[in-house]
Amino acid sequence: KAGVTQTPRYLIKTRGQQVTLSCSPISGHRSVSWYQQTPGQGLQFLFEYFSETQRNKGNFPGRFSGRQFSNSRSEMNVSTLELGDSALYLCASSSGLGPDTQYFGPGTRLTVL
Amino acid sequence: GQQLNQSPQSMFIQEGEDVSMNCTSSSIFNTWLWYKQDPGEGPVLLIALYKAGELTSNGRLTAQFGITRKDSFLNISASIPSDVGIYFCAGQRGNNDMRFGAGTRLTVKP
Repeated sequence: KAGVTQTPRYLIKTRGQQVTLSCSPISGHRSVSWYQQTPGQGLQFLFEYFSETQRNKGNFPGRFSGRQFSNSRSEMNVSTLELGDSALYLCASSSGLGPDTQYFGPGTRLTVL
Repeated sequence: GQQLNQSPQSMFIQEGEDVSMNCTSSSIFNTWLWYKQDPGEGPVLLIALYKAGELTSNGRLTAQFGITRKDSFLNISASIPSDVGIYFCAGQRGNNDMRFGAGTRLTVKP
């Protein structure tokens, strides 16, 4: 079974730009969660999508948004980038049908200059 | 955000030594998970614990789900250089409500 894949792996943007990150979950998994990881704040939950609907949301500004497609692939968008958005963005997939384990992708390293 | 207290923050040990780290919380969790993360990569699941009191091993790794459901520990026996990395605990409460510890950075000296 293929693991969680994320593209691109690395990205450099400048302040004010927007960015879209992509995540393909493990086959059969319907839940995709996104996390931001920084040295100072650690792993912070952004949002979770299940069957194309946002099911949970963390405490991030509206500049951070996401969506999920019918094939369970998910995208995350950040608009009007700020320097503080530089981070490793991790996607995790699970079946989402109950207490379950999440499997993480390798992440997208975003650098905002 | 983080609701788990993970300790220690970092450890410097000699190859062959045993390692112990733990996570505590003020909240009850249904599942405890331990991950290892290498630089530039996502966390990789090491052990998942589903019942209070459960003790599970994965090779040289052993983890336990605390009786109170508010804590867990991870032991690594006979450490080797490839054990280097950051170890995270995570507690899950269902519906993918997951909280993470800040991580324990392990350095193993050959």
